[in-house]
Amino acid sequence: DVQLVESGGGLIQPGGSLRLSCAASGFTVSDTYMSWVRQAPGKGLEWVSDVYRSGSTYYADSVRGRFTISRDDSKNTVYLQMNSLRVDDTAVYYCARVEFTLGCFDSWGQGTLVTVSS
Amino acid sequence: DIQMTQSPSSLSAPVGDRVTITCRASQGISTFLNWYQQKPGKAPKLLIYAVSSLQSGVPSRFSGSGSGTEFTLTISSLQPEDFATYYCQERYNTLMYTFGQGTKLEIK
Repeated sequence: DVQLVESGGGLIQPGGSLRLSCAASGFTVSDTYMSWVRQAPGKGLEWVSDVYRSGSTYYADSVRGRFTISRDDSKNTVYLQMNSLRVDDTAVYYCARVEFTLGCFDSWGQGTLVTVSS
Repeated sequence: DIQMTQSPSSLSAPVGDRVTITCRASQGISTFLNWYQQKPGKAPKLLIYAVSSLQSGVPSRFSGSGSGTEFTLTISSLQPEDFATYYCQERYNTLMYTFGQGTKLEIK
């Protein structure tokens, strides 16, 4: 069975850094495309970042230059390094597997909450 | 950037009703339109991909249709477990994705 388990969320002050992890099982992350999607409290879904099979990375305008997505194939894990955090980065961050041809997120983790507050 | 607008933003209906949610794109998106269901405190779940294809395990009372810029999600006979928030999502531009703002479906 496909499973995605996020970790690393927590309370952080504005300007701080945090690294989220997404451990995958049931498939190989290097064989597919992976995304981070976030949801601010009481709000809708917002795509954050992609890492492709090739290792290419893409970002939403709102996080480009501050967030970095990466992958450790030996651990079958995807990461999101978040720097220069702002109050409006507060959200539940979901890791999701992408079905690239269809452009949909076919499996999701349970999410990890990041709260940016002083 | 493509904008996705869902209507209504919220909807109240009784069990057994037929419900339709609409999603409009600011430009044509071909068939790159997907629907998700999200229950409180849970991750979204893929319901329908490529406009009208049902994800494995999703009940047949869910269906999707549309083309170009206007798409619909229909639930033919509401069940208690269907009360949730529904999101459409496009991937026409391969470098980004956009979600609709969501439609909250509540029990009447």
